[in-house]
Amino acid sequence: SQQGEEDPQALSIQEGENATMNCSYKTSINNLQWYRQNSGRGLVHLILIRSNEREKHSGRLRVTLDTSKKSSSLLITASRAADTASYFCATGKSNDYKLSFGAGTTVTVRA
Amino acid sequence: GAGVSQSPSNKVTEKGKDVELRCDPISGHTALYWYRQRLGQGLEFLIYFQGNSAPDKSGLPSDRFSAERTGESVSTLTIQRTQQEDSAVYLCASSLRAYQPQHFGDGTRLSIL
Repeated sequence: SQQGEEDPQALSIQEGENATMNCSYKTSINNLQWYRQNSGRGLVHLILIRSNEREKHSGRLRVTLDTSKKSSSLLITASRAADTASYFCATGKSNDYKLSFGAGTTVTVRA
Repeated sequence: GAGVSQSPSNKVTEKGKDVELRCDPISGHTALYWYRQRLGQGLEFLIYFQGNSAPDKSGLPSDRFSAERTGESVSTLTIQRTQQEDSAVYLCASSLRAYQPQHFGDGTRLSIL
């Protein structure tokens, strides 16, 4: 079953704008990861944030984690057409190597 | 190779036939995962291999599904007596070890007629 749920399901923005998507989950976690999937391709790991971290940056990506609200957000700044993809959050538990994926947010960046 | 390789990339078969999907993980990665992704949905865990330990088969949806891995190399996922609901993309991922970020192949798109 899917633990993470992304919101919104779909997002359309203009090139240069920021894109924000959220992920909510139900049970306690050890870490939360964000992945990107381009159409017809596999997933690419973007960033991992541990349960004791609140914010993490990687290039134009900013991830926050609020364990009290069981939620995370992914911000893509200054979006580019190449950012068009589906974005998935995945949660990992302390004693379980399996990841639970949400259904994803589809982001379209218009040129 | 540099990344996770899956074959075939596409497979179309008739209902009732058996199919075998192959995954070549990144060299040196001890952990290997299989997932199923239905159209427009997230990933559904199927099976996990870690080194020579017994695999975690808890995600396999029925006894028609099985998977093997030889040591820390190639893995095959077999679906027997395929049904139309088996139509999906089957993704393989590997990681250096458990709990590390996963590297995915491009998947096998399976269509059952």
